Amino acid sequence: KAGVTQTPRYLIKTRGQQVTLSCSPISGHRSVSWYQQTPGQGLQFLFEYFSETQRNKGNFPGRFSGRQFSNSRSEMNVSTLELGDSALYLCASSFTTGSTGELFFGEGSRLTVL
Amino acid sequence: ILNVEQSPQSLHVQEGDSTNFTCSFPSSNFYALHWYRWETAKSPEALFVMTLNGDEKKKGRISATLNTKEGYSYLYIKGSQPEDSATYLCAPSQGGSEKLVFGKGTKLTVNP
Repeated sequence: KAGVTQTPRYLIKTRGQQVTLSCSPISGHRSVSWYQQTPGQGLQFLFEYFSETQRNKGNFPGRFSGRQFSNSRSEMNVSTLELGDSALYLCASSFTTGSTGELFFGEGSRLTVL
Repeated sequence: ILNVEQSPQSLHVQEGDSTNFTCSFPSSNFYALHWYRWETAKSPEALFVMTLNGDEKKKGRISATLNTKEGYSYLYIKGSQPEDSATYLCAPSQGGSEKLVFGKGTKLTVNP
């Protein structure tokens, strides 16, 4: 069974630009969550989508947004990039929503903002 | 915001040693706790999902216990091997929000 696929794996942007990251979950999984990891920090929760609806949101500014499509694939967008947005962005899929189902993580998209 | 503490931050052990780490979290309104192993250049991989006070789970040489009344979980590794070298993350959640809040992890290095 194919795992969680994230694209692109690496990207470099400049301040003020915007970026879109993509996540394809494991087949049959309807929940997709996004996390940000920066040096010295734990994984910070961005948002969770289940059946095309945002179910939960972390404490990030409105520049961070996401969506989920009918095939459960998800995208996250960051507008007006800042240097502090440089991070590894991880996507995770789960069969169920909530926090009783284990998460299956992708390999991440590493964003560098110059 | 849920405060999650993992200790120690890092640990170096010799091959064959047994070791354990701690995850502390607020005991109020507990919902679930996850443990993940994150090897360098790979994706985090689920070890355990625990929901009940007193839960004990085991996978090979790795086991975990959960005390929701006092707000802690222990992860044990028996007879550590170099391939156990990784960062171990815990993530509890509270009822209501059900968002997983990850600790900063314990980085384990097993020397051959």
